[in-house]
Amino acid sequence: AQSVAQPEDQVNVAEGNPLTVKCTYSVSGNPYLFWYVQYPNRGLQFLLKYITGDNLVKGSYGFEAEFNKSQTSFHLKKPSALVSDSALYFCAGSHRNQGGKLIFGQGTELSVKP
Amino acid sequence: EAGVVQSPRYKIIEKKQPVAFWCNPISGHNTLYWYLQNLGQGPELLIRYENEEAVDDSQLPKDRFSAERLKGVDSTLKIQPAELGDSAVYLCASSSDRGNSPLHFGNGTRLTVT
Repeated sequence: AQSVAQPEDQVNVAEGNPLTVKCTYSVSGNPYLFWYVQYPNRGLQFLLKYITGDNLVKGSYGFEAEFNKSQTSFHLKKPSALVSDSALYFCAGSHRNQGGKLIFGQGTELSVKP
Repeated sequence: EAGVVQSPRYKIIEKKQPVAFWCNPISGHNTLYWYLQNLGQGPELLIRYENEEAVDDSQLPKDRFSAERLKGVDSTLKIQPAELGDSAVYLCASSSDRGNSPLHFGNGTRLTVT
């Protein structure tokens, strides 16, 4: 079965420090991979996606993610965290032949303290 | 552009009662999704539409859940009768195609069944 895992329920970072939110996937072939962010009582907002090409993907609000096929990972990163980055982050993936059928991880709560 | 609009935002009903959720996708988006999000978990796909056709409803509990997308624009998701375990957030999303385009989510409907 295909799956996406986020091994950390919560990540705590001090403002100004780099942040990493981890994601691993088990999707056959070359998957499409996405990161979404969710603020309280809101829907999910798209941050970035990996389709093909360069393994380092840049997205909204200074976030980036690195696709690593050998480690089946797609970790989300940001060089300098802001308090306003505090939110719930979801990694998602889909098989290329099932585009649109996203499988989501369980989410990681990011907390950035001043 | 206007985003995905969902109503109502909140709904409280007693078990065994019917309930309906409405979604209006982004104009021009042919693909529409209904997701279920339980507290502390990632969204799970219930049904996906391509225009007015339900192309993936394998995870929709058809004994009590139904959905329709007449005219291929807005959509309604219905539960009849509701059970306590149906308490969750119901998210609607749309995309411009079923490939690698990102999903645009509405703010969701939070259902509480008492």
